[in-house]
Amino acid sequence: GAVVSQHPSRVICKSGTSVKIECRSLDFQATTMFWYRQFPKQSLMLMATSNEGSKATYEQGVEKDKFLINHASLTLSTLTVTSAHPEDSSFYICSARALDRGRAPDTQYFGPGTRLTVL
Amino acid sequence: ELKVEQNPLFLSMQEGKNYTIYCNYSTTSDRLYWYRQDPGKSLESLFVLLSNGAVKQEGRLMASLDTKARLSTLHITAAVHDLSATYFCAASNTGNQFYFGTGTSLTVIP
Repeated sequence: GAVVSQHPSRVICKSGTSVKIECRSLDFQATTMFWYRQFPKQSLMLMATSNEGSKATYEQGVEKDKFLINHASLTLSTLTVTSAHPEDSSFYICSARALDRGRAPDTQYFGPGTRLTVL
Repeated sequence: ELKVEQNPLFLSMQEGKNYTIYCNYSTTSDRLYWYRQDPGKSLESLFVLLSNGAVKQEGRLMASLDTKARLSTLHITAAVHDLSATYFCAASNTGNQFYFGTGTSLTVIP
């Protein structure tokens, strides 16, 4: 199946610092990547939709200046949590929608997630 | 925005028993997905349901979709311990954005 990687898998940072999380599609090109946040024992909440070469679309209530998304190529999207605070501690998961027709239609392939802890 | 609800939120069942998880969604969506998540891990795709009346089965799990009722079900047959996990359904809109249900935490007791 399609592989999506995330880096880092875990990060601990001090309050006020910025953290960058990378999401890569390893064996396919992704027209669209999505970023989700999951708090403990809760569901996944869609944060933003990222299309290659254009600005990300953010869901209501998600601060675009705090969660900067860059989708520089068809295989890489990055999420930067700026000036992180303890309430930003969460499990961040990306997913990618495949471009080529060999992949299952209209499905998303999920990365392994990044656990962010802000002290 | 699609609203997706699942029930039950928690399910504790004995090995060998059958049970059904329900997933309702608020507006038109022709695609419904089921995922499994183990603690601390990401999502594993179980089923993709693309049309009204779709039924898919894999091992002890069977998923169905009724787009008119805006309802999908995940049926567990003769549960085994290995099925213990959290199960999520998700519906997608025309922009292929996924909206997840609240999740069902399943514990299978020997």
